[in-house]
Amino acid sequence: KAGVTQTPRYLIKTRGQQVTLSCSPISGHRSVSWYQQTPGQGLQFLFEYFSETQRNKGNFPGRFSGRQFSNSRSEMNVSTLELGDSALYLCASSLTTGLGGGSEQFFGPGTRLTVL
Amino acid sequence: LAKTTQPISMDSYEGQEVNITCSHNNIATNDYITWYQQFPSQGPRFIIQGYKTKVTNEVASLFIPADRKSSTLSLPRVSLSDTAVYYCLVGTGFQKLVFGTGTRLLVSP
Repeated sequence: KAGVTQTPRYLIKTRGQQVTLSCSPISGHRSVSWYQQTPGQGLQFLFEYFSETQRNKGNFPGRFSGRQFSNSRSEMNVSTLELGDSALYLCASSLTTGLGGGSEQFFGPGTRLTVL
Repeated sequence: LAKTTQPISMDSYEGQEVNITCSHNNIATNDYITWYQQFPSQGPRFIIQGYKTKVTNEVASLFIPADRKSSTLSLPRVSLSDTAVYYCLVGTGFQKLVFGTGTRLLVSP
């Protein structure tokens, strides 16, 4: 079974631009979560989508948004990029939302975003 | 949201058993305890999850005392490839996992 895929793997943008990242979950997984990882803040939860609905949201500004399509693929958008948005953006999929059976998250390799 | 505390770093040698303890004093009744492993420039990888007592799989064991205020991840006979950051997470389904600073495990020959 193919794992979680994220595209692109690397991205360089300038301040003020916007960016869209894509995540394809493992086949059959309906939950997709997004995380931001930086050396200073560690891994921080952005949001989770399940069956095309945002189920949980972390403490990030409205510049960070996402969506999920009917095939469970998800996109994350960051508008008006700031230098501090430079990070590794990770996507994770799981069978179910919540924790317990079926909730194991499988992470993708991430998208490394650099904002200049 | 339950806060977790774990050692910042640990050192071990190949072939030894490593036990990483995580403290979560304000764990809630519905919270599960989950451990992930992360290598540099890769996404975290699920290791094990439990609710109470002991859980064992092919790579690790998770020990949870009756009061559930702490948990211990046990890695038997570590190898160099077990050098990584290990995260302990506690939570329910209504917020996604909150990763702490993790424990950097260094395994030496």
